[in-house]
Amino acid sequence: NAGVTQTPKFRVLKTGQSMTLLCAQDMNHEYMYWYRQDPGMGLRLIHYSVGEGTTAKGEVPDGYNVSRLKKQNFLLGLESAAPSQTSVYFCASSYSGTGVADTQYFGPGTRLTVL
Amino acid sequence: AQSVAQPEDQVNVAEGNPLTVKCTYSVSGNPYLFWYVQYPNRGLQFLLKYITGDNLVKGSYGFEAEFNKSQTSFHLKKPSALVSDSALYFCAVRVSRSGSARQLTFGSGTQLTVLP
Repeated sequence: NAGVTQTPKFRVLKTGQSMTLLCAQDMNHEYMYWYRQDPGMGLRLIHYSVGEGTTAKGEVPDGYNVSRLKKQNFLLGLESAAPSQTSVYFCASSYSGTGVADTQYFGPGTRLTVL
Repeated sequence: AQSVAQPEDQVNVAEGNPLTVKCTYSVSGNPYLFWYVQYPNRGLQFLLKYITGDNLVKGSYGFEAEFNKSQTSFHLKKPSALVSDSALYFCAVRVSRSGSARQLTFGSGTQLTVLP
């Protein structure tokens, strides 16, 4: 049981380049999330998904796109990278319960630098 | 809107002494509150959560947190700090109402350093 995994761990891009970050979970969770972490700002939600085939915008969605074609995978795309997108990106997942608070489980993160 | 404040960027404590990491929140409705810990170059690890019931919540690694509704606080505590507790700690809140997409709002984090 690997939990939440993220690929790649590190990436350096030039401004204008595109890339996709992959998140995979093996816990059969319905909900998946993408966050970015910047110094002194905590984690901010980019996009999330409440089930296969569904996505929604979070707090800071501009410049990013996501897809959830399979329940276990959640992809985050940057179509034209900008230096402001230099950050550490975390994926998380949670079980779709019956209304009781769900714990989000986090992946190890992807450190992205945009030059 | 929901928000979380962690008023201290940095907390230093001597090994063996009790530690407290502060968190206050603001939500419309009943809160669900969480504490996570992040070790260097790692993802966030869940420590504990408050849903309802007993105001004192016990979690992993000997940590506990006290929910105080009147002060809208959820401070993290440990009776005796270890050097290995040194890490970045995040408080998070979510509103309990049904239909929520379970979006967590995180505080800015508190760096805890336990001095030997």
